[in-house]
Amino acid sequence: QKEVEQNSGPLSVPEGAIASLNCTYSDRGSQSFFWYRQYSGKSPELIMSIYSNGDKEDGRFTAQLNKASQYVSLLIRDSQPSDSATYLCAESIQGAQKLVFGQGTRLTINP
Amino acid sequence: DTGVSQDPRHKITKRGQNVTFRCDPISEHNRLYWYRQTLGQGPEFLTYFQNEAQLEKSRLLSDRFSAERPKGSFSTLEIQRTEQGDSAMYLCASRQYRGLTEAFFGQGTRLTVV
Repeated sequence: QKEVEQNSGPLSVPEGAIASLNCTYSDRGSQSFFWYRQYSGKSPELIMSIYSNGDKEDGRFTAQLNKASQYVSLLIRDSQPSDSATYLCAESIQGAQKLVFGQGTRLTINP
Repeated sequence: DTGVSQDPRHKITKRGQNVTFRCDPISEHNRLYWYRQTLGQGPEFLTYFQNEAQLEKSRLLSDRFSAERPKGSFSTLEIQRTEQGDSAMYLCASRQYRGLTEAFFGQGTRLTVV
């Protein structure tokens, strides 16, 4: 089993709708979670971090963490065509320090 | 620019040649990471440094790969005797040491082995 799993997509969402991206992880020692956005041919760009259970909002983005169920999600409200990208979920395990990434979910926002 | 900087951005090399990439982290970040990413996959961990000490290497890392961070500032990643399978994007990231902190990536070096 992969440490971090994401549905590779593609996920298509109409412009203005809410895009929901999900990620599950296997290590209960995971401490920190991150969402990165990656445009084609570019490097990952950090958009959200979350460390405790619950929701964390930043503009149109909301990250949700549920440690009991071992999942992390990212909601993008009022989706824009510029949100079309691959979204990478990453975890950092306590004591290990390295980030472990999922394979990414490709999101397409349709005008 | 105070972000992570990588050089070169693109490298095309013939199979069997050696290549070296450089990464300059954010200045106050003492952890530096190297990742490799191929098409359709997430970044794969290669190695990381805390200051000048290399603290972890991936078991997948061939002995043709070596990384250094001699003075705890910039880092280099060298690939010897390149193979076509080494073609990938090589990403560098840096992070503060203490606490729950975020890692930031450089622009990456796209390696093509022909």
